[in-house]
Amino acid sequence: EADIYQTPRYLVIGTGKKITLECSQTMGHDKMYWYQQDPGMELHLIHYSYGVNSTEKGDLSSESTVSRIRTEHFPLTLESARPSHTSQYLCASSEHFVGQSEAFFGQGTRLTVV
Amino acid sequence: KNQVEQSPQSLIILEGKNCTLQCNYTVSPFSNLRWYKQDTGRGPVSLTIMTFSENTKSNGRYTATLDADTKQSSLHITASQLSDSASYICVVSDRGSTLGRLYFGRGTQLTVWP
Repeated sequence: EADIYQTPRYLVIGTGKKITLECSQTMGHDKMYWYQQDPGMELHLIHYSYGVNSTEKGDLSSESTVSRIRTEHFPLTLESARPSHTSQYLCASSEHFVGQSEAFFGQGTRLTVV
Repeated sequence: KNQVEQSPQSLIILEGKNCTLQCNYTVSPFSNLRWYKQDTGRGPVSLTIMTFSENTKSNGRYTATLDADTKQSSLHITASQLSDSASYICVVSDRGSTLGRLYFGRGTQLTVWP
């Protein structure tokens, strides 16, 4: 099993609250990614990082932000949660660029905004 | 437009039976094709990765095939078990840049009944 961890696994929160989803990996990977997945739909890349102090937006526009201060840690923050943010958020990492090496996924955070 | 299409959308089989899942893609230029297993509420776990030159790869009871000419792949599951119940996701990577990116299918939801 991959050494990549996400917390919390489930989160129900009220509209307007600030939340941070945590993602940590112990594999020493420089490349990390955040994906968003709705039920029965494909994963969409929302953020990625190729190393410390490097962050980029992905293909799907997202109101969330990310930071990469340490190699092993890639948290995602929503400043003001809305019901439209309800989704599953998956963190992943890879040793090399994701197109050329295996991606390891965390178990996901199921976010519900009420 | 780069796309990954999977069929069937869902499948129910009896324990011990075999099944085959299909994946068609239009991603170009092609780098590799992966099959992931995603249990409900968890992150995807890699089953196989195949490059252009590989046409078959096995992982236990899972056998993936790739026809790069017709841009089709299949995942064959032999002697199914209840624990095989999951979503199986086909993912194709391009080599259009040094970074590469992943294109996800929506998955086939497999249910194995006792």
